[in-house]
Amino acid sequence: NAGVTQTPKFRVLKTGQSMTLLCAQDMNHEYMYWYRQDPGMGLRLIHYSVGEGTTAKGEVPDGYNVSRLKKQNFLLGLESAAPSQTSVYFCASRRDTQETQYFGPGTRLLVL
Amino acid sequence: SQQGEEDPQALSIQEGENATMNCSYKTSINNLQWYRQNSGRGLVHLILIRSNEREKHSGRLRVTLDTSKKSSSLLITASRAADTASYFCATASGGGYNKLIFGAGTRLAVHP
Repeated sequence: NAGVTQTPKFRVLKTGQSMTLLCAQDMNHEYMYWYRQDPGMGLRLIHYSVGEGTTAKGEVPDGYNVSRLKKQNFLLGLESAAPSQTSVYFCASRRDTQETQYFGPGTRLLVL
Repeated sequence: SQQGEEDPQALSIQEGENATMNCSYKTSINNLQWYRQNSGRGLVHLILIRSNEREKHSGRLRVTLDTSKKSSSLLITASRAADTASYFCATASGGGYNKLIFGAGTRLAVHP
């Protein structure tokens, strides 16, 4: 099992550009999450999904959109990137019967 | 807003010594989890303690929870250089969607 994978690993964007981050998990997990991690801070929840076709807002959802068209994939979109979105983005997933979250390796995003 | 706050922010010890990290939180919780993050990597789950538990062990890890003081501690005994990482506490509260709220973390450096 690959676990949780994230694509791409690193990306540089110019202000105003758009992009999509892909998260994939092969553990048949129901729940999936997108977090961002900024220097000196813990992870903050952007959006999450409790199952295929569902999404919900987390703590810092502004400027991001998400979609969960397939159970194994959770996409995070930036419609118009801003320098404040420079961060490391982590995806996580978990079973509905378990409280432990499994994390991907992260995507480092730099917005100039 | 961050629920958990870790103390200290950074800890430097020698191999073989014990490392203690503390976490305080603000609201009632269902459970509290500790995660480790090696530099440039995703988070890895270490241990979970439920609100009705006071102490839990896993290998060289010992976690305590004091719900009256809204605090938890993580003890790593006989530290090794490979324990060098950042350690985060995360609290889960409210409904069943297990939205974790992370603290800012403790950076642990174990010197050979």
